[in-house]
Amino acid sequence: AQSVTQPDIHITVSEGASLELRCNYSYGATPYLFWYVQSPGQGLQLLLKYFSGDTLVQGIKGFEAEFKRSQSSFNLRKPSVHWSDAAEYFCAVGAGAQKLVFGQGTRLTINP
Amino acid sequence: DTGVSQDPRHKITKRGQNVTFRCDPISEHNRLYWYRQTLGQGPEFLTYFQNEAQLEKSRLLSDRFSAERPKGSFSTLEIQRTEQGDSAMYLCASRRQGGTDTQYFGPGTRLTVL
Repeated sequence: AQSVTQPDIHITVSEGASLELRCNYSYGATPYLFWYVQSPGQGLQLLLKYFSGDTLVQGIKGFEAEFKRSQSSFNLRKPSVHWSDAAEYFCAVGAGAQKLVFGQGTRLTINP
Repeated sequence: DTGVSQDPRHKITKRGQNVTFRCDPISEHNRLYWYRQTLGQGPEFLTYFQNEAQLEKSRLLSDRFSAERPKGSFSTLEIQRTEQGDSAMYLCASRRQGGTDTQYFGPGTRLTVL
């Protein structure tokens, strides 16, 4: 069965610092991978996605993620965070008819 | 592109009552998905439609839950005889049919069962 693990439930970083959020997946075939962001009480907004090709993908708001098949990972990075990046971040793998299997999420707090 | 809309945004009900939520997908999207998200967790898949056909249901979708998409446009999710454990955010998403298309999510309906 497909699964996604986000090992860090909560991360705190200072504004301007770099960020890496971890994501490991389990999927039998070539995965479709996604990162979504959710602000409190809101739906999910897509940050970026990987389907094939270049393993380093660029997304919105200055985010990027790298697909590493050997490590079954799809970590999200940003070189310098802004206070507005505080939110919940979800990694997901596409399964079946592209229904999504989500990780538990990582809550990001930004210190001023 | 007006995005996915959901109504109501919040619903408070008493245990045992029936509730119905509505989702309006992006107009040209023929696939529609329902997910449930409980506090501190990621969304979990409930069911999906391709046009008006309901093609897959999760085992999470007990017989108290029913979803419809009668004309292949908007969808409704009904919960009968609500229980406190049904309290969650119910998210709707839509996408075009095609291997690499993205799911776009609505703002969700927050259900509280007292």
